[in-house]
Amino acid sequence: GAVVSQHPSRVICKSGTSVKIECRSLDFQATTMFWYRQFPKQSLMLMATSNEGSKATYEQGVEKDKFLINHASLTLSTLTVTSAHPEDSSFYICSAARTGASYGYTFGSGTRLTVV
Amino acid sequence: GEDVEQSLFLSVREGDSSVINCTYTDSSSTYLYWYKQEPGAGLQLLTYIFSNMDMKQDQRLTVLLNKKDKHLSLRIADTQTGDSAIYFCAERSSGNTGKLIFGQGTTLQVKP
Repeated sequence: GAVVSQHPSRVICKSGTSVKIECRSLDFQATTMFWYRQFPKQSLMLMATSNEGSKATYEQGVEKDKFLINHASLTLSTLTVTSAHPEDSSFYICSAARTGASYGYTFGSGTRLTVV
Repeated sequence: GEDVEQSLFLSVREGDSSVINCTYTDSSSTYLYWYKQEPGAGLQLLTYIFSNMDMKQDQRLTVLLNKKDKHLSLRIADTQTGDSAIYFCAERSSGNTGKLIFGQGTTLQVKP
């Protein structure tokens, strides 16, 4: 149990376009999901906390108009990178918190975004 | 503020034990976790420990927690080449969001 599906796994887009990444909890309900960004050989940087039915909470330095987060249901959160630029190229990972679980959060398999 | 530190690299021979160390600063952390990341993949939860525990063992994995020194370690017995990966230590924030704070990750290289 506790599977999180993230799509797409890899995407290449042109500068100026927008890209949507989906994060789904397949067999449990997730009131809270987290979006991370990971640079090569570096740790995960938390971008925002996504709460079902309310606005996301962004970490300091993360542009909310650039990285749009929608958590419309208990099983789906989306991250849209708007007007993407090459510096947005990165590995994006989501995780979902299972309600009442103490054993940590389940992570998606990540999305490799390349902006050309 | 909250901070988690790890050594960046560890190399061992197949069959040996590996010990990955981590220090953290938030004394009110409730849970501490070890995650494994293979190249190009997401994070896999290996094990976790509640802050009122000193030790937890799960098959080849042993977690030791020294709450006084805010030190956490992960021991992998009989390390295999398939254990080669990046290992992240994380603490669960004591704040309302419950977000995870990650260390930089330790790259474990297992030589045959």
